[in-house]
Amino acid sequence: QQQVKQSPQSLIVQKGGISIINCAYENTAFDYFPWYQQFPGKGPALLIAIRPDVSEKKEGRFTISFNKSAKQFSLHIMDSQPGDSATYFCAAVVSGTYKYIFGTGTRLKVLA
Amino acid sequence: EAGVTQSPTHLIKTRGQQATLRCSPISGHTSVYWYQQALGLGLQFLLWYDEGEERNRGNFPPRFSGRQFPNYSSELNVNALELEDSALYLCASSPLGQRSSYEQYFGPGTRLTVT
Repeated sequence: QQQVKQSPQSLIVQKGGISIINCAYENTAFDYFPWYQQFPGKGPALLIAIRPDVSEKKEGRFTISFNKSAKQFSLHIMDSQPGDSATYFCAAVVSGTYKYIFGTGTRLKVLA
Repeated sequence: EAGVTQSPTHLIKTRGQQATLRCSPISGHTSVYWYQQALGLGLQFLLWYDEGEERNRGNFPPRFSGRQFPNYSSELNVNALELEDSALYLCASSPLGQRSSYEQYFGPGTRLTVT
C-alpha cells in the first residue's frame, strides 16, 4: 500500500513532442505528489509538485495532471527538447511523515 | 543560495568496514533526509533528522545509522559494509519550520562502492 507504481520504464520522444509519464498509488493518506528530474551523476531536482485538492498544475512546459478518484497522476512535458533527456521520478508523501515514497523512475530520451 | 552539499563524492571501502558520509543542508533548513539509490531499485528512504532528533526510519538494518549536529549538518554511518550497500547515497534538506511545505532539495550524492 506504500508503493508508487511508475510507467513507462523508458520513453523515447521526438523533439517537439509530448512526453507523458504516469504514476499510480493506493494509499489515500498521500497528500503531496512531487516530480523530480535527475541527470546522470547528479542528485534529483524538484520539477513540480501538486496537492490532491488540485486537478492540474502547470509550470512552463511541465504539467501535472491529478486524478484523485483513480489514484493516478501524470507528468506531461510539452514541446520536449533534447535537454529534457533525463530520468524522471514521481513521489508521494504521507501527510505529516515527510517521508518520500518514490516511483521506480522513467528514463526519457528526446531525439533531436 | 548554496545548495545541499555532500562529501565525499566517491568512497571505496571493503566488505566489513565502516563508511561515514556527510551532508550540509541548505542554510535555514532544519531537516535532513537520507536516501539510498541502488542500481535498478530507485530511491529508498533511509532516515529523517530534524532538530537533532531521528524522526523516521526506512526499512534498513540498524547498521545504518546517523546523527544531526547542532548546525543541522548530518552524518550517515554504515557499519559492517556488505557488497549490496554499493549505491549512490543522497541527502536532501527541507525548511521544516514552514510546516506546510514538503519540498525536499537533494544534494549530488556520495557514490559508495564496496569491494
